[in-house]
Amino acid sequence: DAGVIQSPRHEVTEMGQEVTLRCKPISGHNSLFWYRQTMMRGLELLIYFNNNVPIDDSGMPEDRFSAKMPNASFSTLKIQPSEPRDSAVYFCASNIGDRGALNTEAFFGQGTRLTVV
Amino acid sequence: GENVEQHPSTLSVQEGDSAVIKCTYSDSASNYFPWYKQELGKRPQLIIDIRSNVGEKKDQRIAVTLNKTAKHFSLHITETQPEDSAVYFCAAGRWDEKLVFGKGTKLTVNP
Repeated sequence: DAGVIQSPRHEVTEMGQEVTLRCKPISGHNSLFWYRQTMMRGLELLIYFNNNVPIDDSGMPEDRFSAKMPNASFSTLKIQPSEPRDSAVYFCASNIGDRGALNTEAFFGQGTRLTVV
Repeated sequence: GENVEQHPSTLSVQEGDSAVIKCTYSDSASNYFPWYKQELGKRPQLIIDIRSNVGEKKDQRIAVTLNKTAKHFSLHITETQPEDSAVYFCAAGRWDEKLVFGKGTKLTVNP
């Protein structure tokens, strides 16, 4: 398996534009996580899915952020409209954990470095 | 909810010395404590984890200790090498709920 795959690796966009980040989890993994990493706030969990269902989105900062997981092999994180303070590295991670036993090793993708100017 | 504090934020050691990073957590129900290593420009990767039914776990040069009463856990790296230089993150959570990460410790091992 190639691991968790994220695209794009880098994204530069203008304030107000829509940004879509993509993630392909490891096949067979039941849980998918979206994290945001900044120097100031560290690694923050935005949302996680289990069996394609959003379980906890309490970390999503604002209504401008939305995430979907239409099937077991694909998820998107969308920011609309984007703002300069959204600039960060966004990681997707997956693990085999399931409801009732969520916490096992999480495998991270390479991340998407987003810059909003 | 869970709150994780990690110290120090930066740590510089000489090659061959030991390094210790400490974390405290607030939720006494947390029972899973992983440590992740993130090299510059790369993804975080799990290096060791411990569950609350164990007080210590060791894997070659790295070890983690857990004190449930005091609600703190530590990462110990012995005989440090330059390739150990990275940012290390601790995390804590219940086995069936999301993890909360510490802010990270930037470890520099000087040759």
